[in-house]
Amino acid sequence: DTGVSQDPRHKITKRGQNVTFRCDPISEHNRLYWYRQTLGQGPEFLTYFQNEAQLEKSRLLSDRFSAERPKGSFSTLEIQRTEQGDSAMYLCASSLVAPTGVDEKLFFGSGTQLSVL
Amino acid sequence: QKEVEQNSGPLSVPEGAIASLNCTYSDRGSQSFFWYRQYSGKSPELIMFIYSNGDKEDGRFTAQLNKASQYVSLLIRDSQPSDSATYLCAVSGYSTLTFGKGTMLLVSP
Repeated sequence: DTGVSQDPRHKITKRGQNVTFRCDPISEHNRLYWYRQTLGQGPEFLTYFQNEAQLEKSRLLSDRFSAERPKGSFSTLEIQRTEQGDSAMYLCASSLVAPTGVDEKLFFGSGTQLSVL
Repeated sequence: QKEVEQNSGPLSVPEGAIASLNCTYSDRGSQSFFWYRQYSGKSPELIMFIYSNGDKEDGRFTAQLNKASQYVSLLIRDSQPSDSATYLCAVSGYSTLTFGKGTMLLVSP
């Protein structure tokens, strides 16, 4: 396993279009996170899953954003009716929840750079 | 709102010098602290983590934690031009990490 994989690496879309990004976590990891990063800022938390359960989604930026992890493996992040302000790097990360507690070390994928024209 | 504060820099040091990067955080309940390195156009890479007060060393990197002062630092000894990057401080919260904006480090040959 080579780490967290994200697809596509780059996405250019027109305002108003829908986009979907995919993330494949490290295979033995059971937590998956989505973050967004804009220029000059640190990553901003959006949502996370433990296995297939979405445990936190209140930080999704608007109801245009949604995420799924239907079988507890890969995840998708969808943005509907994109706006120019959605232009950013979308980062996926994964971690391992051990029986003794959460291993909070997050490992990031390469990210998807979204440009909304 | 949990906050993590870092000086945005840039911090400029000559090759071979010690670079000192600092971070403060607002949530006294935070238990875990991380340093990520991010090269321009790339994703963050975990380089250090620390859970207890004191120092933790790994090669040229030393992380320092003072929970009473809510302060975390990263020292990079014998800085190399390849260390030029943005260094992100991250602090644990409820099942997530909160990141600072990062400090840009420039190491000149």
